[in-house]
Amino acid sequence: GENVEQHPSTLSVQEGDSAVIKCTYSDSASNYFPWYKQELGKRPQLIIDIRSNVGEKKDQRIAVTLNKTAKHFSLHITETQPEDSAVYFCAASKAAGNKLTFGGGTRVLVKP
Amino acid sequence: GAGVSQSPSNKVTEKGKDVELRCDPISGHTALYWYRQRLGQGLEFLIYFQGNSAPDKSGLPSDRFSAERTGESVSTLTIQRTQQEDSAVYLCASSLEGAGEKLFFGSGTQLSVL
Repeated sequence: GENVEQHPSTLSVQEGDSAVIKCTYSDSASNYFPWYKQELGKRPQLIIDIRSNVGEKKDQRIAVTLNKTAKHFSLHITETQPEDSAVYFCAASKAAGNKLTFGGGTRVLVKP
Repeated sequence: GAGVSQSPSNKVTEKGKDVELRCDPISGHTALYWYRQRLGQGLEFLIYFQGNSAPDKSGLPSDRFSAERTGESVSTLTIQRTQQEDSAVYLCASSLEGAGEKLFFGSGTQLSVL
């Protein structure tokens, strides 16, 4: 089955700096790659996703890039703010009807 | 309903007792997942239901854990003879058609085994 590895497990950045989280996946047939954010004590929520027919997608201060050849994708957060502090999970899946597999999560701390 | 609903929100039980956790997915969502999340840890996959297909039970940690789903609606996760290491938040999530669709998470059941 699919295996998703996520690095780093923790990330501390100064407010205003950028944060980058990287994920690799094992199944070359995977074609959907979402990112979820989980704030302390809250449920995970989707923040951005990318499908295999595009290489990059941006939404304000967050962006995701995908390299299908290398089987890795990354989340980029620019101009980090204290409210970006949370745990971020990447995930991967194949076509509809297949299970979504999550990475182990990255705890991001933005220091004011 | 407006979102994924889980009950109870908190459950305290004694070691050795059985517990049943309930998840009401969003109406029309064919895919349903159960995850376990220990304090400060990641999302541990337990089981996945997709439509009328056989469920993917590959994440269930032992035969004390089981889950059922009635059609494309309510799901129950049952833990028999609970152990202290079962203490965690149990999260349910649903999506419209499984992979390729946004997952909506419930607020979870906090299970404490004394």
